[in-house]
Amino acid sequence: DAGVTQSPTHLIKTRGQQVTLRCSPISGHKSVSWYQQVLGQGPQFIFQYYEKEERGRGNFPDRFSARQFPNYSSELNVNALLLGDSALYLCASSLDGDPSGNTIYFGEGSWLTVV
Amino acid sequence: KNEVEQSPQNLTAQEGEFITINCSYSVGISALHWLQQHPGGGIVSLFMLSSGKKKHGRLIATINIQEKHSSLHITASHPRDSAVYICAVKRGSNYKLTFGKGTLLTVNP
Repeated sequence: DAGVTQSPTHLIKTRGQQVTLRCSPISGHKSVSWYQQVLGQGPQFIFQYYEKEERGRGNFPDRFSARQFPNYSSELNVNALLLGDSALYLCASSLDGDPSGNTIYFGEGSWLTVV
Repeated sequence: KNEVEQSPQNLTAQEGEFITINCSYSVGISALHWLQQHPGGGIVSLFMLSSGKKKHGRLIATINIQEKHSSLHITASHPRDSAVYICAVKRGSNYKLTFGKGTLLTVNP
């Protein structure tokens, strides 16, 4: 079975541009979470979606948005990119929406560099 | 002060040594995860704990809810164990995970 897949793996964008990152969860998993990991730091929670509804949102500006599709895949959008948005963006999936009840599975991440 | 603190930040060991990585948290939690991250970026879940102790191969994780502390132990360490080990906690009904900064482990042959 395929694990959590993310695309693209690496990308470079210019300040002010917009970016869309994609995530496909493990088959059967209905929950997708997005995390931002800046170099040298632990991941920071951005969003969680479960059954296509937003269940949680971290302390990120409105430039960050996400959605989950009927097939449970998800997109993370970031508008008006800033240099500080350069980071590894991680997607995680789990069977349901509660990370205290199930193992979470992470993708390999999308490395975003803003220049 | 971060809600989740890990120690040490960096750890260098010789192959075969017993390794301990610590995680302390300042809030009530419903679960704690230990994760492993290799240089390429991908994260692998090692353990999820809400009480007691779990063992998988050479890895052992323990948690003391009253003391708000968890440890990850690696017995007979090997160079392939070299990675960043991250502790993450879930609070109550909050859906998000809060992560520590990680511990960089290097095991030399």
